[in-house]
Amino acid sequence: SQTIHQWPATLVQPVGSPLSLECTVEGTSNPNLYWYRQAAGRGLQLLFYSVGIGQISSEVPQNLSASRPQDRQFILSSKKLLLSDSGFYLCAWSSTGTSPQHFGDGTRLSIL
Amino acid sequence: AQKVTQAQTEISVVEKEDVTLDCVYETRDTTYYLFWYKQPPSGELVFLIRRNSFDEQNEISGRYSWNFQKSTSSFNFTITASQVVDSAVYFCALSGKTGANNLFFGTGTRLTVIP
Repeated sequence: SQTIHQWPATLVQPVGSPLSLECTVEGTSNPNLYWYRQAAGRGLQLLFYSVGIGQISSEVPQNLSASRPQDRQFILSSKKLLLSDSGFYLCAWSSTGTSPQHFGDGTRLSIL
Repeated sequence: AQKVTQAQTEISVVEKEDVTLDCVYETRDTTYYLFWYKQPPSGELVFLIRRNSFDEQNEISGRYSWNFQKSTSSFNFTITASQVVDSAVYFCALSGKTGANNLFFGTGTRLTVIP
């Protein structure tokens, strides 16, 4: 069966520090991969998605970036975090664009 | 344009009551998919159901049931005999027929079941 792992679970970072969140999927090949952000009490905002290695599409302009160095690995990064980057970050995978997306446990990011 | 509206921001019910969560969608696609997800306090999103636009048959899974009506562009979710474990935020989502980035979420309904 397929599983998705996301880490770390929580992270507290100072403003201006770098960020690296990692997500890996097991039990499937060539998945679609997604990064979402959920601000406190809000809905989900799609940040990035990827349909293959090295293929990244950005949905919103921001100081975040994403990379997919391997088929089942998706990384969310930032060179300098802003206070507004605080939130709950969720990674997800799906087999096609219309199949259900399955989510990781999320990372709670607090910027001080 | 794709849009999902969940007008109910928060709902509170007493345990064992039935509750219906509303979802209204907009799309120009003739083929599309509708989803419901549950987000418990722990934060992860749990997939509950997917329906395609050609299947308007209502679905029941245990205490959960879904009412899909194309005529009113609605895909409502009913929990029968609610339990405290049902307390969560529930998201309705819409996906068109193509594209990898095609899942549009509503803003969610926070359900609190009071013991």
